[in-house]
Formats: sequence, structure tokens, C-alpha cells
Amino acid sequence: DTAVSQTPKYLVTQMGNDKSIKCEQNLGHDTMYWYKQDSKKFLKIMFSYNNKELIINETVPNRFSPKSPDKAHLNLHINSLELGDSAVYFCASSQNSGGRTDTQYFGPGTRLTVL
Amino acid sequence: AQSVTQLGSHVSVSEGALVLLRCNYSSSVPPYLFWYVQYPNQGLQLLLKYTSAATLVKGINGFEAEFKKSETSFHLTKPSAHMRDAAEYFCAVTGKTDKLIFGTGTRLQVFP
Repeated sequence: DTAVSQTPKYLVTQMGNDKSIKCEQNLGHDTMYWYKQDSKKFLKIMFSYNNKELIINETVPNRFSPKSPDKAHLNLHINSLELGDSAVYFCASSQNSGGRTDTQYFGPGTRLTVL
Repeated sequence: AQSVTQLGSHVSVSEGALVLLRCNYSSSVPPYLFWYVQYPNQGLQLLLKYTSAATLVKGINGFEAEFKKSETSFHLTKPSAHMRDAAEYFCAVTGKTDKLIFGTGTRLQVFP
């Protein structure tokens, strides 16, 4: 009965590789997000989607490409991985249109390590 | 632009002592404010949020926070700390945009 799930939990890969992280929510929410948490625990939004439509696209290298096949899924594909991409990536979802008061529900995170 | 500042990256308290985690915000419009908790190796969980109703907001696990516009603050408190409260706590704000802007976090340690 997990609300927001991510796979894989851990991802270790070499520089230059391409990898994907998957996210699914079973809460019936309309909006999904990707966040990056760096080694100092600082959390920053990367993208958000509302009903499969891109809403927020922060200043993120275009090696990062989100894909939302349906409103319950938001995947993150990363090309040509770099050392600086090492971080914990969190998926989140919220019920409505990502409004200012919406509560966001977070997944358990994916720890990406680039060697 | 919106921002939050969390004073003190680490806070240590004894079990049973008062917990006070500080958060100050900056926003050009009336803000909405959130406290999230992150237990080790887990995602974030909402503790409480201020959405312009009551200024004293009660959350889960005995936590509460008070919105003080004059001080631009939204400090988190709990009267009596438990060992299970040891975690990372994040203050966050939404202002003009829908984006949730997080502070840098405060690690709470609880000693027996």
C-alpha cells in the first residue's frame, strides 16, 4: 500500500552512462515532482508535471529528461552521467494542481552514485 | 523571491527537554509555510503547515509551530523530546509561485 514508490533505491554507475529512475504514486494525485538532495541535504525542485503536462522546469542540465506516461507515473532519465549528479533523488506527488498550499507526499528516494 | 533560513544546522537536546527549531522566511507575498521531517534513509513527511488560518498550527507527533508575521518566523516546537524525534527537519515556503522552497535543514539529536 505504498503511496509514492521509487525504483531503484540505490543506483551505482559509471560516468558517461545513461540511467533511469522510476516513480509511481497510487494516491490518485494530479501533480508529480522530482527533487534533488545533495550531500549537504539541500533539497531543490527539478521538475513538476500536472496530468502529464510539464509545469515546472528548473535550471537543470538537458541531460535530465522527465517523462510522464500517465498521471500516476513520472520517470527521470539521465544521459551521460557526471560525478556531480551523485545525490539522492526524491519523487513527490500532490493532490491538486501543485498549488501553494498543497501537501506534497514524498517517495523514499533513490541514492545515485556516479563513479 | 521566497526563501527560508533555518538557524542552527544541528540541535541537540536531552530526552524530555523542549525542542525548538528555528525558521525565518522571506516572501514578497503572504507566505504559506511547511515543516517536513526526514527520518534516516527515508523520504520527507509533512509535520504541519500554515495556510493563513490559525497562526498556531498543531501537527503530528506533538509538534506545533507559530506563524509570527512581525518576526517573519515559523519556529517548530515540541514540549518534550523523544528518542524517536531524532531526524532532519526542513522548513519550506511557497510564495508567489507554487514552488516549494526548502531551507537547509536542521538535524535534531536526542540524548537519553
